[in-house]
Amino acid sequence: EVQLVESGGGLVQPGGSLRLSCVVSGVSFSTHAMSWVRQAPGKGLEWVSSITTSGDATFYAESVEGRFTMSKDDSRATVYLQMSSLGVEDTAIYYCATYITPRFDYWGLGTLVTVTS
Amino acid sequence: DIQLTQSPSFLSASVGDRVTITCRASQGISGSLAWYQQKPGKAPNLLIYATSTLQSGVPSRFRGSASGTQFTLTITSVQPEDFATYYCQQLHVYPLTFGGGTNVDLK
Repeated sequence: EVQLVESGGGLVQPGGSLRLSCVVSGVSFSTHAMSWVRQAPGKGLEWVSSITTSGDATFYAESVEGRFTMSKDDSRATVYLQMSSLGVEDTAIYYCATYITPRFDYWGLGTLVTVTS
Repeated sequence: DIQLTQSPSFLSASVGDRVTITCRASQGISGSLAWYQQKPGKAPNLLIYATSTLQSGVPSRFRGSASGTQFTLTITSVQPEDFATYYCQQLHVYPLTFGGGTNVDLK
């Protein structure tokens, strides 16, 4: 059974930082790239970031470029999203998803990030 | 960036109706389009990828097709469990993008 479990969300003040984690089981990092997708309250889905199977390349949405960093630890079967300079517009549920071209085939339940003063 | 324009944004249907949702890409995406279903409070669920390939376990009443840069998701006979929001996504080129979503509710 494939499971993706996100953690690390919570309340943070504007300008603050947060690191999200996603532990993956039941699927191989050697065959699946990984992605983060977010969904602001009552809004649609927004792709945030992706990392290749080897981890040698990362891609970001323009809205987070330069503020967010995605990484992976194969030994822990975990992907991370380091978020800094957070603004209220970053408030959302953050989902991690496995990515095997051309689809996101498995998704976690999400972790809520709330940026508020 | 490739824009995906989904229509309609909202759709009311009765059980048994045929439902059609369209997703128009702003440029060619070589068929790299996926459809997801999302129910309130839940994560999205993959339905179709590569325009028309049904994800394992997804009922055959869901069908995907395309004509040029217009992609279509059809539910041939909508069932009570199908009332949800549907999103298209292009995976042809970064940045990956989603359509704005179509909320299908019970008439």
